[in-house]
Amino acid sequence: GAGVSQSPSNKVTEKGKDVELRCDPISGHTALYWYRQSLGQGLEFLIYFQGNSAPDKSGLPSDRFSAERTGGSVSTLTIQRTQQEDSAVYLCASSRPSGLASEQYFGPGTRLTVT
Amino acid sequence: GQNIDQPTEMTATEGAIVQINCTYQTSGFNGLFWYQQHAGEAPTFLSYNVLDGLEEKGRFSSFLSRSKGYSYLLLKELQMKDSASYLCAVRRSQGNLIFGKGTKLSVKP
Repeated sequence: GAGVSQSPSNKVTEKGKDVELRCDPISGHTALYWYRQSLGQGLEFLIYFQGNSAPDKSGLPSDRFSAERTGGSVSTLTIQRTQQEDSAVYLCASSRPSGLASEQYFGPGTRLTVT
Repeated sequence: GQNIDQPTEMTATEGAIVQINCTYQTSGFNGLFWYQQHAGEAPTFLSYNVLDGLEEKGRFSSFLSRSKGYSYLLLKELQMKDSASYLCAVRRSQGNLIFGKGTKLSVKP
């Protein structure tokens, strides 16, 4: 497909387990972003990858959260020892280089529920 | 710090005009975006402003005043399908977006 894809679409996990969320950006987009959106809240920035530069991790809420981007394309967001407050929709977005007036294209999100 | 404020909810009538305001205080500024988000769906891009003034795109227009840290989104000839949340977001110099909490717009017949 031509858009950003994310998997799984829904994930239910028990408190304390680790989860991995996957994002496939639009081909050719060098910038990739992760956000999360809690019920009724705005989007909270988590992490930003731009090409081969070091990622901007300033939005990660704790050291239980990490992300990597392999080969400048697919990205995986990992949450270790999940807590109930981690329940949210995790959105991935990609864009052309951020030096341009480039919009971010969002994926459909992964709804994470921690029980 | 970063702060983006917009009204939580607004209601308007089909066929009318509505203006959604956004004020911001952020460290670094590289443009302001408006996104539309229908319930249960991902945000979709509406507009981008980096210079002061009005950008018009069909029924939607967006205005920016950098000196005042202020933007608005203007929706004309409202349709029922415009019922959604409208998100104001500022791009920081580093490239990531800081989002407001969104304005939920309800369009009534």
